[in-house]
Amino acid sequence: GDSVTQMEGPVTLSEEACLTINCTYTATGYPSLFWYVQYPGEGLQLLLKATKADDKGSNKGFEATYRKETTSFHLEKGSVQVSDSAVYFCALSNQAGTALIFGKGTTLSVSS
Amino acid sequence: ETGVTQTPRHLVMGMTNKKSLKCEQHLGHNAMYWYKQSAKKPLELMFVYSLEERVENNSVPSRFSPECPNSSHLFLHLHTLQPEDSALYLCASSQVLAGNQETQYFGPGTRLLVL
Repeated sequence: GDSVTQMEGPVTLSEEACLTINCTYTATGYPSLFWYVQYPGEGLQLLLKATKADDKGSNKGFEATYRKETTSFHLEKGSVQVSDSAVYFCALSNQAGTALIFGKGTTLSVSS
Repeated sequence: ETGVTQTPRHLVMGMTNKKSLKCEQHLGHNAMYWYKQSAKKPLELMFVYSLEERVENNSVPSRFSPECPNSSHLFLHLHTLQPEDSALYLCASSQVLAGNQETQYFGPGTRLLVL
């Protein structure tokens, strides 16, 4: 069945460091891909999304490119801030279009 | 402001209690979802409602009973829960068009503790 695999965390970085969180997926068809972020004590918020191959989603300095050939959707940011500390979830839409399938989440901790 | 609200934000209940979680979306969406988020476990999809009909139920124990009276409201009725049911319960909504899953918008969650 469809699934999402994210790199295990936690990821600990210093402020202004580069970030990459890997995400690969297994799916039939052409799912939409998403990155969600969860700040402490809150629900999930959409960070960015891509709906077809080679699309690049971007928001708040974060980027991810839908790579069909490698079935990946890695999240990147050139310079992280302390305020980026959160849990990041990669997700894809299931084939039936009825739900999202989430990865396990990657905790990012940024120190000043 | 995400457009999806959940009440209560925190709930403590005994194993013999009956309580309900409420979710309301103000986005005009046609699908709503319940998720369970436990520490160190993946986000678990519990129920999906599309156009007020339950379309997915991921083998959730019968002590959890969802209700969707209209497209804007979703409830999760709880009875005789177990301590392992303690978790963050998240509600979400989305617009589903021609079988395509659009972005889901989440509420802040209800933090449930079962004693």
